[in-house]
Amino acid sequence: EAEVAQSPRYKITEKSQAVAFWCDPISGHATLYWYRQILGQGPELLVQFQDESVVDDSQLPKDRFSAERLKGVDSTLKIQPAELGDSAMYLCASSLNPASGGETQYFGPGTRLLVL
Amino acid sequence: EDQVTQSPEALRLQEGESSSLNCSYTVSGLRGLFWYRQDPGKGPEFLFTLYSAGEEKEKERLKATLTKKESFLHITAPKPEDSATYLCAVGSGYALNFGKGTSLLVTP
Repeated sequence: EAEVAQSPRYKITEKSQAVAFWCDPISGHATLYWYRQILGQGPELLVQFQDESVVDDSQLPKDRFSAERLKGVDSTLKIQPAELGDSAMYLCASSLNPASGGETQYFGPGTRLLVL
Repeated sequence: EDQVTQSPEALRLQEGESSSLNCSYTVSGLRGLFWYRQDPGKGPEFLFTLYSAGEEKEKERLKATLTKKESFLHITAPKPEDSATYLCAVGSGYALNFGKGTSLLVTP
């Protein structure tokens, strides 16, 4: 069964350091999403890609967060510098094109980030 | 603005004791109501998508229903392995707006 891959699974870093997360979506899925989930809350969208283009990054803190999907396949989310409040689970999801009825999103295992 | 409210926040059931989880929503232009299961430390696992009022879907001991204002996830004769957080999300536009989830514990 095809799955969304994410790495690393866990990351511990110190405040002001840079961190990067990687995501490989399900093959053939044109749309890729990055979410942040704080313990006890539902996931919140950070950025959405359609192929290599950003569709929505309105909730991405652009002073410290960046995301790219250069070839329209895998994606990287970066935080620089990390702050204590960034400690959370970072989830990647993918779907077929939602404009064509492919709304269902499939999630990866997530990256648990702890900022000390 | 889309809003999703799940209740109860936590639910404890004995094995075999059926119950329902609620998801109330307000959305401009529903593009789907989604249910996910999330185990501790893992990503959400897709369960169901519902698109229109009156629609129902079933999978093993789970049954999801949808009205114009809310969705229910019915759990029939639950087992301890059904213990997890159940997340509801609505799609309007292309993003999903999630509720905070219901944490379900099923005891033997």
